Amino acid sequence: GAGVSQSPRYKVAKRGQDVALRCDPISGHVSLFWYQQALGQGPEFLTYFQNEAQLDKSGLPSDRFFAERPEGSVSTLKIQRTQQEDSAVYLCASSLGAGTGGSEAFFGQGTRLTVV
Amino acid sequence: SQKIEQNSEALNIQEGKTATLTCNYTNYSPAYLQWYRQDPGRGPVFLLLIRENEKEKRKERLKVTFDTTLKQSLFHITASQPADSATYLCALLANQAGTALIFGKGTTLSVSS
Repeated sequence: GAGVSQSPRYKVAKRGQDVALRCDPISGHVSLFWYQQALGQGPEFLTYFQNEAQLDKSGLPSDRFFAERPEGSVSTLKIQRTQQEDSAVYLCASSLGAGTGGSEAFFGQGTRLTVV
Repeated sequence: SQKIEQNSEALNIQEGKTATLTCNYTNYSPAYLQWYRQDPGRGPVFLLLIRENEKEKRKERLKVTFDTTLKQSLFHITASQPADSATYLCALLANQAGTALIFGKGTTLSVSS
C-alpha cells in the first residue's frame, strides 16, 4: 500500500487479556517507531526499530509491553495482561532513513485500544 | 530531559486571518524541529521541518520560524481556511541518538467562516 497500515483499527480487551497490534510500514522504510497517544495528549515514544534491530525501547512503560520486527518490515506490538491504563491510541510510524534523521515520519491511523 | 510546551490548547480565529501557534522547549537546542497536523481519528501528518541553522521555512501558506536563543518555534498559517481546522503538534529530538521524537500536547485550531 501507499501508506503505513495498522490493524486492527479498534480493539476492546478485557483486563488481563493479551493483545497484539500490527503495523505494516511503507515498503523500504528503514525506521519504524511505536508511539502511545492518550486522549488530549501528544504521542509518546515507546520504541524504535532500525530494520529488524530494536535500538531503543526506553519508552516501553513496563515489561508487559513487547515489540518485534523480525524481518525488518512488519512490526507487532504486544501487550500482556492488559490494564485499564493501557487504554490509548497506539500509533506506528515509519521513515526512509535511519533514526529520526531529520526525515519525514509517516504515521498510520493508529489502533484504539480500550481495556474494560 | 527535554520538554515541550505548546502554550495554547485551543485557538479560534476567523477565516482569512493568520493563525500563529507557539512551541517552546526547555533543554538543549535540537538539531531540528518538526510540525505535524493531526485530524480526529487520524495519525499525525508531517508538515514542515526546520533545522537549527535555519531562521525561517515556508511551504505554501505555512511559515515556521526557529529561534534557538528564545528556545521557541512559531508556526503561522496565513489566509486561514476552515479546512485548516485541526490539531497541530510540534516535535523535536527526544535524545541525541535521534531514535525518538518528543511531541507537544498540540494546539487545536478552529477556523470559522
